[in-house]
Amino acid sequence: KQEVTQIPAALSVPEGENLVLNCSFTDSAIYNLQWFRQDPGKGLTSLLLIQSSQREQTSGRLNASLDKSSGRSTLYIAASQPGDSATYLCAVPFSNTGKLIFGQGTTLQVKP
Amino acid sequence: KAGVTQTPRYLIKTRGQQVTLSCSPISGHRSVSWYQQTPGQGLQFLFEYFSETQRNKGNFPGRFSGRQFSNSRSEMNVSTLELGDSALYLCASSILGGHTDTQYFGPGTRLTVL
Repeated sequence: KQEVTQIPAALSVPEGENLVLNCSFTDSAIYNLQWFRQDPGKGLTSLLLIQSSQREQTSGRLNASLDKSSGRSTLYIAASQPGDSATYLCAVPFSNTGKLIFGQGTTLQVKP
Repeated sequence: KAGVTQTPRYLIKTRGQQVTLSCSPISGHRSVSWYQQTPGQGLQFLFEYFSETQRNKGNFPGRFSGRQFSNSRSEMNVSTLELGDSALYLCASSILGGHTDTQYFGPGTRLTVL
């Protein structure tokens, strides 16, 4: 059974700091991994999708890496800004379906 | 291109009532999935529709049902509402669904059951 875990549950950093969010999954036979951002009371915004054949994906100040063998993905945020404050979720598809299995998320606060 | 839209954005119902939520996917997307988000359980998959057919279903009771129309719009219905059904209901659309597509989420419908 695939389980997705995100540690820590919450993180507070000063503005300008580089930071890493972690995501781990129990079954390494994944097709891809997707990172999302959720602002309070809002829907999810897709940030990055990494296919299983890829090791990294980059978008602006965001860089996501994937290591299937160790069951881990990281989301690196460079030069954090207060506007980055949100909950970040990672998700993997269940088998070859469109059903996503989500981690519980990491709530990030970037202090000015 | 317009994003995923969900209506209504907020709903307040009482126990025993039923509710219908609507989701309009991104133009050209044929797959719509529904998720329930609660503080205790996080995001849980309800079901996925593709070309008007339910393709996958999560572990929810039969009170939760859905359908998809020929224009890919989808509705979700919850009958005999319980207090525990209070949640943010999110729908997501993708081009073909399945395990390879990026899923794009709507803003959600906040359901409160009193």
